[in-house]
Amino acid sequence: DADVTQTPRNRITKTGKRIMLECSQTKGHDRMYWYRQDPGLGLRLIYYSFDVKDINKGEISDGYSVSRQAQAKFSLSLESAIPNQTALYFCATSSWGETTSTDTQYFGPGTRLTVL
Amino acid sequence: GQSLEQPSEVTAVEGAIVQINCTYQTSGFYGLSWYQQHDGGAPTFLSYNALDGLEETGRFSSFLSRSDSYGYLLLQELQMKDSASYFCVPPQDQAGTALIFGKGTTLSVSS
Repeated sequence: DADVTQTPRNRITKTGKRIMLECSQTKGHDRMYWYRQDPGLGLRLIYYSFDVKDINKGEISDGYSVSRQAQAKFSLSLESAIPNQTALYFCATSSWGETTSTDTQYFGPGTRLTVL
Repeated sequence: GQSLEQPSEVTAVEGAIVQINCTYQTSGFYGLSWYQQHDGGAPTFLSYNALDGLEETGRFSSFLSRSDSYGYLLLQELQMKDSASYFCVPPQDQAGTALIFGKGTTLSVSS
């Protein structure tokens, strides 16, 4: 079984709809992240959480919100989806210093979101 | 804050050697990481340089010079399956901040 799972894997929605992307991990990591990827723009950080009570904005948090329901679960919400939020979304987890003196990140398979 | 530069695209043929350079600006003192992402897939961790110098893992090597804020990923004996995007991830400013991935370098290997 995959260590980091994301649901749904693909989603098509309409402008103005509320949508939630979910991420679960079995790695026991305390840190979790949400990124979006657009062609030519690389990976951009949306939100991150270093433990259950910690939520931090990334570089592109506008239009998004998150919830860290448990150590293993981190969800991303689009309150009112718009077409320019069409992208590939990745969840990732890490545990500082687990294998190296940094945050080695483990990514989920991604969610492809299309907003019409 | 952090900024980094790496080439957007690199092309090579099978069997060749490619070096992907990375320069960054950060006040962080942790090491430099590299991630690989195949088209349609998730990024995966490749290597980490905690200290200055060269780290070798099979066909891939990674180098770091802290004083120059510079690193590179060296891929030898290129294979078609090495076609992917490669992300240089510079040192964090501190342990309490998140890694910044940037735009990456797309490597295309042809036969």
